[in-house]
Amino acid sequence: SSELSQPPSVSVFPGLTATITCSGDKLGASHVFWYQQKPGQPPVLVIYDDDKRPLGIPERFSGSNYGKTATLTISGTQSVDEADYHCQAWDSSSVVFGGGTKLTV
Amino acid sequence: QVQLVQSGAEVKKPGASVRVSCKASGYTFTGHYIHWVRHAPGQGLEWMGWINPHSGATDYGRKFQGWVIMTWDTSISTAYMQMSRLKSDDTAVYYCTRGNPVVSGPADRLDPWGQGTLVTVSS
Repeated sequence: SSELSQPPSVSVFPGLTATITCSGDKLGASHVFWYQQKPGQPPVLVIYDDDKRPLGIPERFSGSNYGKTATLTISGTQSVDEADYHCQAWDSSSVVFGGGTKLTV
Repeated sequence: QVQLVQSGAEVKKPGASVRVSCKASGYTFTGHYIHWVRHAPGQGLEWMGWINPHSGATDYGRKFQGWVIMTWDTSISTAYMQMSRLKSDDTAVYYCTRGNPVVSGPADRLDPWGQGTLVTVSS
């Protein structure tokens, strides 16, 4: 079982806002990272250090981390955003992942 | 650009061993941690451990200690992950991914990722 908890699935209509949460005791002492993974492809980093976007990631992706819950928000969700989303944090020198959330658009 | 290219798919019998390779390009290989992560069917990502290609230090997830070994070959900018005593529930796609610069410690983003290597364990 994951030390970080994510909802197994989230559904959103195109153009609306999708919110995916990630909860865990580790989040209070660690930055959170989010990865997007489409079928048959490796994960792609979409948010790092809680709320920063790597180059090339659309502005509609944003993140936050307060207390023991981190949130990935996708504004104006598009069909291309349909994918699995994984949160990740650190526990000392070890990586921990959430169980992943399937986003359906 | 930074790229990680992994070896091809493997089919193994229970009890066997497997070694997956990960060739890095586009950056100084010894300058960044390399992590290994696996993704079993229907499950979330599972971190296996990291290797520091500069010092050779490793850190394995508790579940993988004693039967996974991570090594590297600086001369060809390649990291390796070897698993022994394979079981059917080790069937998964295995990824290597680049971590933080080694001068900064391991805790940071994982980016980019290799294309993945499917390891199937079946009798």
